Amino acid sequence: AQKITQTQPGMFVQEKEAVTLDCTYDTSDPSYGLFWYKQPSSGEMIFLIYQGSYDQQNATEGRYSLNFQKARKSANLVISASQLGDSAMYFCAMREGPAGGTSYGKLTFGQGTILTVHP
Amino acid sequence: ETGVTQSPTHLIKTRGQQVTLRCSSQSGHNTVSWYQQALGQGPQFIFQYYREEENGRGNFPPRFSGLQFPNYSSELNVNALELDDSALYLCASSATLAGGTDTQYFGPGTRLTVL
Repeated sequence: AQKITQTQPGMFVQEKEAVTLDCTYDTSDPSYGLFWYKQPSSGEMIFLIYQGSYDQQNATEGRYSLNFQKARKSANLVISASQLGDSAMYFCAMREGPAGGTSYGKLTFGQGTILTVHP
Repeated sequence: ETGVTQSPTHLIKTRGQQVTLRCSSQSGHNTVSWYQQALGQGPQFIFQYYREEENGRGNFPPRFSGLQFPNYSSELNVNALELDDSALYLCASSATLAGGTDTQYFGPGTRLTVL
């Protein structure tokens, strides 16, 4: 089974509108972390936002927020007030096991969603 | 604060050759992870280095090997290159600290083409 599923190969949004990128995950580990990264055409992977499995509140970072629904195993990224520079590939990723300590932090990535922002 | 850097940016090799990719971790980070990203795919975990030792490995053959140095920089070596090794190779650094988020910060990548 896929550990990270991003069902939207491509999404389009008008500038200044909000957009939600979907991500569902599969793990039996009670401790895990969920990450979103942005990858422009240049190739560099840019960290956007993190949500820990025990975090009570949804994570927010500026225009980015993570809609974390633990029971449904979903971690959707919401981008508010889209900008032309938001056009890029977006990846959801998961680390299984607790952060730090002796467990290693392998990230498992989804297939990505290409976001295009129209003027 | 210096971010993650990788060299070279691009590389062209022929099948059967060997290649070494280099990565300098972000200041204050002690862990380096390497990923392979084929065109149109998400990155795949190769391995991770912590305290100069391999600390986890993905589903890659032994011809993929690595090193981490005392300054936490790292090398990825690939022997006997195959056409399917053509990909973007991403290095990520993080701070392995108990209780932290261990967020991985990525470098710009090395694009390897095998002919």
